[in-house]
Amino acid sequence: RKEVEQDPGPFNVPEGATVAFNCTYSNSASQSFFWYRQDCRKEPKLLMSVYSSGNEDGRFTAQLNRASQYISLLIRDSKLSDSATYLCVARGFGNEKLTFGTGTRLTIIP
Amino acid sequence: EAGVAQSPRYKIIEKRQSVAFWCNPISGHATLYWYQQILGQGPKLLIQFQNNGVVDDSQLPKDRFSAERLKGVDSTLKIQPAKLEDSAVYLCASSLVFTAKVNTEAFFGQGTRLTVV
Repeated sequence: RKEVEQDPGPFNVPEGATVAFNCTYSNSASQSFFWYRQDCRKEPKLLMSVYSSGNEDGRFTAQLNRASQYISLLIRDSKLSDSATYLCVARGFGNEKLTFGTGTRLTIIP
Repeated sequence: EAGVAQSPRYKIIEKRQSVAFWCNPISGHATLYWYQQILGQGPKLLIQFQNNGVVDDSQLPKDRFSAERLKGVDSTLKIQPAKLEDSAVYLCASSLVFTAKVNTEAFFGQGTRLTVV
């Protein structure tokens, strides 16, 4: 079983729609989590950290469910510029190892 | 603030040749990561340093890959000899040391795109 698992998609979503991604992790000791965004042929960049209480940044909302070991990302009112691959990341406990999922490819359709 | 610097940006080599990549992390970042990203996949950790010590190299193919960070600042990753399946983007990232108060993110360089023919 992979340490961090994501549905690779692709997700093709009309502009203005709401889209949600889930990610599961296998190591219950993972201490922190992130969502990164990666544009085609570019490096990954931090989209947002994920906190236990859930957090929101504009149109983006991240949730963490430690009991079920999953993380979610919700994008509201999607824009064409949201088209990218979204990578789920878990940080290991004690060693700071950052483990990435395969990524979920999102395409926003005009 | 300067970001993570990597060179070269692109490299094409023949199989069985050797190649080296260089990374200079953000100033003050103790943790340095090397990732391999094959097309269509997420980044896979090859090796992680904290200062000049290795924290994790469990997924580094040690028969052909080596990495060092001698002075705890910049780092080199070497492949010798290269195989066709080593064709990928090699990403370097750095971060501050994690603390309970600060969820430190990793910043990535632009990567080196390696093609082995």
